[in-house]
Amino acid sequence: AQTVTQSQPEMSVQEAETVTLSCTYDTSESDYYLFWYKQPPSRQMILVIRQEAYKQQNATENRFSVNFQKAAKSFSLKISDSQLGDAAMYFCAYRSAIGTASKLTFGTGTRLQVTL
Amino acid sequence: GAGVSQSPSNKVTEKGKDVELRCDPISGHTALYWYRQSLGQGLEFLIYFQGNSAPDKSGLPSDRFSAERTGGSVSTLTIQRTQQEDSAVYLCASSPQTGANEQFFGPGTRLTVL
Repeated sequence: AQTVTQSQPEMSVQEAETVTLSCTYDTSESDYYLFWYKQPPSRQMILVIRQEAYKQQNATENRFSVNFQKAAKSFSLKISDSQLGDAAMYFCAYRSAIGTASKLTFGTGTRLQVTL
Repeated sequence: GAGVSQSPSNKVTEKGKDVELRCDPISGHTALYWYRQSLGQGLEFLIYFQGNSAPDKSGLPSDRFSAERTGGSVSTLTIQRTQQEDSAVYLCASSPQTGANEQFFGPGTRLTVL
């Protein structure tokens, strides 16, 4: 079974600064997908960024980028120019690309605070 | 178009009562998922429906939990004889198909069992 570990329960960053959230995972599969989801107090899960394991190039979405290290099974999220609206819970998630097993396996989350 | 909707938004019930939670997925999405988020925890997979295939029920924690999806659209998650440990936020998600496509989440139902 796959597992996802987020070792930082809470992180804090000053507005306009850069912060990196860590995520490691364990799998014996070679083909899979990785995601970062954001959950604000409204409870709505919002996809931040997605990475296909077969792609070597790290995904980027505006101020959000990932550092995907397949051999190390590491998938960190970098948020640049942090904004107050970035404050939320962030969850790392894994999805197998094999067969029909398309459920998401989530880490326990990192609560990000953004200060002035 | 409209996103995934869930009802009720909040539900308070007494221990031992049955509850039904509803999910309306995005129109046209063939896959539908239920997850549970306990306080301070990540999301835990419960059950997954894909088209007309048999659902993947591997995440259901006990036989008190069941779910159905009628007409390939609306889904209902039923918890019988609720226990205090069932208190959590229940999130529903849908996606156009399996694979890398994004799962779109609803706002969840917060269930409190007294």
